Amino acid sequence: AQSVTQLDSQVPVFEEAPVELRCNYSSSVSVYLFWYVQYPNQGLQLLLKYLSGSTLVKGINGFEAEFNKSQTSFHLRKPSVHISDTAEYFCAVSDRTYKYIFGTGTRLKVLA
Amino acid sequence: DGGITQSPKYLFRKEGQNVTLSCEQNLNHDAMYWYRQDPGQGLRLIYYSQIVNDFQKGDIAEGYSVSREKKESFPLTVTSAQKNPTAFYLCASSGGGQGPPGTYEQYFGPGTRLTVT
Repeated sequence: AQSVTQLDSQVPVFEEAPVELRCNYSSSVSVYLFWYVQYPNQGLQLLLKYLSGSTLVKGINGFEAEFNKSQTSFHLRKPSVHISDTAEYFCAVSDRTYKYIFGTGTRLKVLA
Repeated sequence: DGGITQSPKYLFRKEGQNVTLSCEQNLNHDAMYWYRQDPGQGLRLIYYSQIVNDFQKGDIAEGYSVSREKKESFPLTVTSAQKNPTAFYLCASSGGGQGPPGTYEQYFGPGTRLTVT
């Protein structure tokens, strides 16, 4: 069975500082990986996804993530955050079926 | 505009009553999903449907039921058997292309916050 671990439940960071949100997964088969963002009381929207190919994936709003197969990780990064990046971020994995498994989320709080 | 709609945004019910949450999509997606979101627990899958007239239980299906009579619609009924129904419910859809399962992003509705007292 697959699982997704987001170790950090909350990450505070000052505006214009870099940030990394961590995601680790476990699976016995090859997977597809996703990062979503959720603003308060809204649905989720896709930031980026990794299906195959280059392990560095660029997404919307200046975010990027790197797939590391040996460490089974897919950490999300942004070199300089803005107040508007304050939201909850979810990592998700698919084992190539219709089912997706989500992590418990990381709340990013950008401080002025 | 294409998208997913969920109604209502807020729903209040008395304990012991069944309640149905609506989810409609006009994205021509094959697959639809229902998730429950509780603080600190992420999204947990209730039911999903790959195609009309077919659906599968997710990880927390007990106390819930669904139907998929039309491609566009995937209503969720929270029954009185669900012991702790108060939560934020999210509907999603994906697919509609030629790629293999699991490669599509999910499109989410705005959610329904259900409060049962």
